[in-house]
Amino acid sequence: DGGITQSPKYLFRKEGQNVTLSCEQNLNHDAMYWYRQDPGQGLRLIYYSQIVNDFQKGDIAEGYSVSREKKESFPLTVTSAQKNPTAFYLCASSIRGQPRPQHFGDGTRLSIL
Amino acid sequence: AQTVTQSQPEMSVQEAETVTLSCTYDTSESDYYLFWYKQPPSRQMILVIRQEAYKQQNATENRFSVNFQKAAKSFSLKISDSQLGDAAMYFCAYRSGNTGGTSYGKLTFGQGTILTVHP
Repeated sequence: DGGITQSPKYLFRKEGQNVTLSCEQNLNHDAMYWYRQDPGQGLRLIYYSQIVNDFQKGDIAEGYSVSREKKESFPLTVTSAQKNPTAFYLCASSIRGQPRPQHFGDGTRLSIL
Repeated sequence: AQTVTQSQPEMSVQEAETVTLSCTYDTSESDYYLFWYKQPPSRQMILVIRQEAYKQQNATENRFSVNFQKAAKSFSLKISDSQLGDAAMYFCAYRSGNTGGTSYGKLTFGQGTILTVHP
């Protein structure tokens, strides 16, 4: 079955450490997205990519970085510059150029040690 | 920039009854899409229903229907014959229909409404 796989499900970060969240999709979707979810604030867009080797900042990109070297992969790095990284992170993908809804992964819960 | 507002942080309904969740949005665009997503305790995001702005007819999916008022920029979700499995956080989301910009495909979410279903 096609879908989006996020790993790990839970992740802990030490102070000053960079961590990378994995997102892989086998839906052959061109576009991929990273969202952050905090309680009471809904989902906010961190980064998104419409095609390989190209990506744009979302609304809250500071302290995060991404890469898009392969169509099926869109890893998110939470850097030490992100001072409040504790949140639930969701990856999504969609067909580019068509008004199709986004498909979501099951998320990664990141916490500070 | 587009904004989406859900003014009801929490709602509750009795099993088998009907409940309506509110959503308003602000945009200067004429071509766009609106969605309702459901997030149960498992945290998985599930698409409930979608509405194209150019369609006057309200979308319906089984027990779920919307009341789309384009002029008022309102997009409410009605759940009929509520079931215990409907209990979840519900998010309203906006997506631009402008295919020319790099922001095409971005979703802007509201803050969410927690729905509790009482047996």
